[in-house]
Amino acid sequence: DVKVTQSSRYLVKRTGEKVFLECVQDMDHENMFWYRQDPGLGLRLIYFSYDVKMKEKGDIPEGYSVSREKKERFSLILESASTNQTSMYLCASRTGYTYEQYFGPGTRLTVT
Amino acid sequence: GEDVEQSLFLSVREGDSSVINCTYTDSSSTYLYWYKQEPGAGLQLLTYIFSNMDMKQDQRLTVLLNKKDKHLSLRIADTQTGDSAIYFCAEKGTSGSARQLTFGSGTQLTVLP
Repeated sequence: DVKVTQSSRYLVKRTGEKVFLECVQDMDHENMFWYRQDPGLGLRLIYFSYDVKMKEKGDIPEGYSVSREKKERFSLILESASTNQTSMYLCASRTGYTYEQYFGPGTRLTVT
Repeated sequence: GEDVEQSLFLSVREGDSSVINCTYTDSSSTYLYWYKQEPGAGLQLLTYIFSNMDMKQDQRLTVLLNKKDKHLSLRIADTQTGDSAIYFCAEKGTSGSARQLTFGSGTQLTVLP
């Protein structure tokens, strides 16, 4: 079974702090994704990566950056957390054949 | 760009069938997916259908695809309380970024006893 893990289920940070969210997949997938999920807005793509050290902006990249130094690990970085970044963050990785994405359990981030 | 629409809420009685509907705009969609999200959890892939198929059945789940109307539905037979969750429709098109899926905003299914 595909396994995607995220470093924290719940996280509370203060405004202005630098925040790292880590995601690891064990299926050797080349493509990895970060989404945020907010009520009524569904999933919005922040960034994705199609190879090590390669990244592409999604629909809402402002205020975020990413890092992909190893194939299995994709990190989302909030350079200076703000209260409007309070959300559920979901990581996913993707197969190359039928394109379905496999999701981690999510990190619920609260910025106070 | 691509757009995927779903109604936000659906309530059914335990034992009845549930039908969750989705419409999409990208006529070049190749794969369409249904995901389930239980409270506090990530998304779990339920099933997918290739665009050259009209129907796919998997135990209690039936997916129907009407390409002409760009309409996708998920039917859950004999709905149980454990089926209460948010259901997301998603599509993979050939336009735009080939790496991305476009997700609907999700339908909250509530199963009443």
